[in-house]
Order: sequence, then C-alpha cells, then structure tokens
Amino acid sequence: SAVISQKPSRDICQRGTSLTIQCQVDSQVTMMFWYRQQPGQSLTLIATANQGSEATYESGFVIDKFPISRPNLTFSTLTVSNMSPEDSSIYLCSVADPLAGVRETQYFGPGTRLLVL
Amino acid sequence: EDQVTQSPEALRLQEGESSSLNCSYTVSGLRGLFWYRQDPGKGPEFLFTLYSAGEEKEKERLKATLTKKESFLHITAPKPEDSATYLCAVQAWGNNRLAFGKGNQVVVIP
Repeated sequence: SAVISQKPSRDICQRGTSLTIQCQVDSQVTMMFWYRQQPGQSLTLIATANQGSEATYESGFVIDKFPISRPNLTFSTLTVSNMSPEDSSIYLCSVADPLAGVRETQYFGPGTRLLVL
Repeated sequence: EDQVTQSPEALRLQEGESSSLNCSYTVSGLRGLFWYRQDPGKGPEFLFTLYSAGEEKEKERLKATLTKKESFLHITAPKPEDSATYLCAVQAWGNNRLAFGKGNQVVVIP
C-alpha cells in the first residue's frame, strides 16, 4: 500500500488563526480524502480531493472554512481557517486508487493533532 | 443515511481469552465493509475489506465475517499487542465516503 505522510504531526494554535496541513503520498493516486476525528466521535469525511478539479465537500463542511488544494497526484493540503476551540481534532488524509486492484480500500496517513486555544 | 454501530465500546480481555466485536450497519447498497485498527496517536491501519454476505477473511489472530446486517471481528487467543481500537466502516455504491462507527477499544491484559 502507499506510504502517506502528514505535516505537521501536531500543533497548538490560537483561535482566529489558520493552519495548513500537508499530505504527501509516495505514489500517484487518483483519489485523496480528508477526514476529521473529534474526541469520542467517529471519523467523518470532510471532502474528496481529486487532481484537476474542485474538491467535493460533505454536508456540514464548506470551502471557506476548509479550503483544499490538490496540485498533483501525490500531494494535497487542507487549511483549517479562522479556527475556534471546536476545531480541535485529529485531521487525517487518506488515499484510494481504483486501478490498484484493491477495490475502493482507503489507506490513512498518521494524522495531524490540532489543539485550538 | 449510512449508519454504523459498534459494540461493545470497550472490552478488557485476559491474554488468550477469545472474543468477538460487533459492527451493525445500515447502508443503501453495500459496496464494501472495512475493518481498521487504530493505535493511540496513529492513523487507522487497514485490516480487511468484505464485499458480500457470507464472506470471511483472516489475518493472524483476527477473522472478519459479514452478514446482510452486521459484521464480526473475532479475536482468537489475543495477545497484549492486539490492544487497539478497532474501527468498522461501510461504503455505499456511488459514494466514495466511508461511514465509520465509533470503534471498539480492546485492552488485552497479560
């Protein structure tokens, strides 16, 4: 499976600021996803990021709050904008490649642990 | 809306004491059911994908099974290194989103 890295691994931020999280994959993949894992809650999909097109956001998530870039087939960024303490969470990227022969399976990065004060 | 409920939320096992984790789901056309393992401070690690009722998959001390309404993850003769949170997720046809349960937190005591 693909090797996925995320930067930063953790951060502590002040409310009202923004943080950009990077996701790097060691091979080209068609689909990348961003999830949020809040304390005591399920992993929740924020958006799907495909190269060459706008990200597709799930209900309850908007581009102004979580802008996403996908400049090529190995990299994506998620920005958490105008942060509040409610944004404290683990943010995870995942990748899937329908051509890889393992249908629809998603592989996850190590996550970025964000604390907003 | 796709829903996943996992039980029990937490489980403490003696080393060697076999047990099963339950994942009940509702989905509008199952494309796949996925099991992941998550250790503290790490991202989910893929374990199994199941596609149709009756399917079973095994890996070391873990065995996953699937029916039309639920999946079980059987842990046989667990060891302390099997301590983790096990996550279940479903994916519907026409949707890339994985809908996750809250997980089964397993602690295996030596």
